[in-house]
Amino acid sequence: RKEVEQDPGPFNVPEGATVAFNCTYSNSASQSFFWYRQDCRKEPKLLMSVYSSGNEDGRFTAQLNRASQYISLLIRDSKLSDSATYLCVVSDAGNNRKLIWGLGTSLAVNP
Amino acid sequence: GAGVSQSPSNKVTEKGKDVELRCDPISGHTALYWYRQSLGQGLEFLIYFQGNSAPDKSGLPSDRFSAERTGGSVSTLTIQRTQQEDSAVYLCASSAGWGYTFGSGTRLTVV
Repeated sequence: RKEVEQDPGPFNVPEGATVAFNCTYSNSASQSFFWYRQDCRKEPKLLMSVYSSGNEDGRFTAQLNRASQYISLLIRDSKLSDSATYLCVVSDAGNNRKLIWGLGTSLAVNP
Repeated sequence: GAGVSQSPSNKVTEKGKDVELRCDPISGHTALYWYRQSLGQGLEFLIYFQGNSAPDKSGLPSDRFSAERTGGSVSTLTIQRTQQEDSAVYLCASSAGWGYTFGSGTRLTVV
């Protein structure tokens, strides 16, 4: 089993749609969780951290379920510019500063 | 500097040659990471430097790969006797705590 698993997609949605991505992680001792965004042929960029209580940043909502070991990202009112690959990232259980990366979920928002 | 700087941005080399890739992290960031990403693939961890601690080299794929970080700042990743399978984008990231900032990468092509 991979340490961080994501549905690779692609998710094709129309502008304005709401889309949700899930991610599961294998080590219950992981402490830190993030979503990164990677545009085609570009480096990953931090989208948001994921907190236990859930957190929201504009159109983006992230949630963490420690009991089930999954993380979600919800994008509301999707824009064309949201088209990218979304990477689920979890800290290594033995070293909280070392991150383990999912392979990403591809999103295409269509006009 | 304002961001993580990597050089060169592109490198084409002949099979069997050695290459050096440079990363200049954000000033004050104590952690520095090297990853590589092949086309359409996820991030592959290579090596991690944290302050003055011994680096975590667990991701280096073979003894042809080595890295050093001088003075806790600039890092150089060296690949000896390059092979075609080394072709990838090599990404450097630095961190002061949670979340990474990536450079724009070095695209290495071995011909």
